[in-house]
Amino acid sequence: DAMVIQNPRYQVTQFGKPVTLSCSQTLNHNVMYWYQQKSSQAPKLLFHYYDKDFNNEADTPDNFQSRRPNTSFCFLDIRSPGLGDAAMYLCATSSVNNEQFFGPGTRLTVL
Amino acid sequence: AQSVTQLDSQVPVFEEAPVELRCNYSSSVSVYLFWYVQYPNQGLQLLLKYLSGSTLVESINGFEAEFNKSQTSFHLRKPSVHISDTAEYFCAVRRSQGNLIFGKGTKLSVKP
Repeated sequence: DAMVIQNPRYQVTQFGKPVTLSCSQTLNHNVMYWYQQKSSQAPKLLFHYYDKDFNNEADTPDNFQSRRPNTSFCFLDIRSPGLGDAAMYLCATSSVNNEQFFGPGTRLTVL
Repeated sequence: AQSVTQLDSQVPVFEEAPVELRCNYSSSVSVYLFWYVQYPNQGLQLLLKYLSGSTLVESINGFEAEFNKSQTSFHLRKPSVHISDTAEYFCAVRRSQGNLIFGKGTKLSVKP
């Protein structure tokens, strides 16, 4: 089945230690999104790629970076995680102007 | 700017009772509206969407939502809920850039 895959499902890191979350898709969608969802809150868009074009939200901290080496993969890098970065990180994909398909999410814990 | 308001943060209901989860949006342009469901520790699953055409849209598991332009609403309804419907429900509007603006979510709790 075509899908959006996120690895790992649960990630534990230490305060200040860089961490990378990954997302892959078999849908061949040209748009990929990263959302941050804190406990009991709505998902909030961090950035998205339209093909190779990177679009950062104005209020996304510099601590968050992303890479998209090819159509199928997209990575979220957190350079120096703080306690406030503990959250569920959701990857989503879409073709242009169509619905978004979400992965299962990666729950990040910062110790 | 587009925004979504979900008026109820929690909705408790007994099994087999009807339920309505409210959603209002604000947008100055054509709207595309969505309802997503999220089960604990999982990602979001699309429940139903309104893009154009009939204002009443239905999902495969008995939910429906009606787009009401005059009231700027897109409320989600189900005539008879099951225990398995217990989850968090998010209403969303799509921005022109393509990404979604979500409401704060409504936790539906179905009790036996």
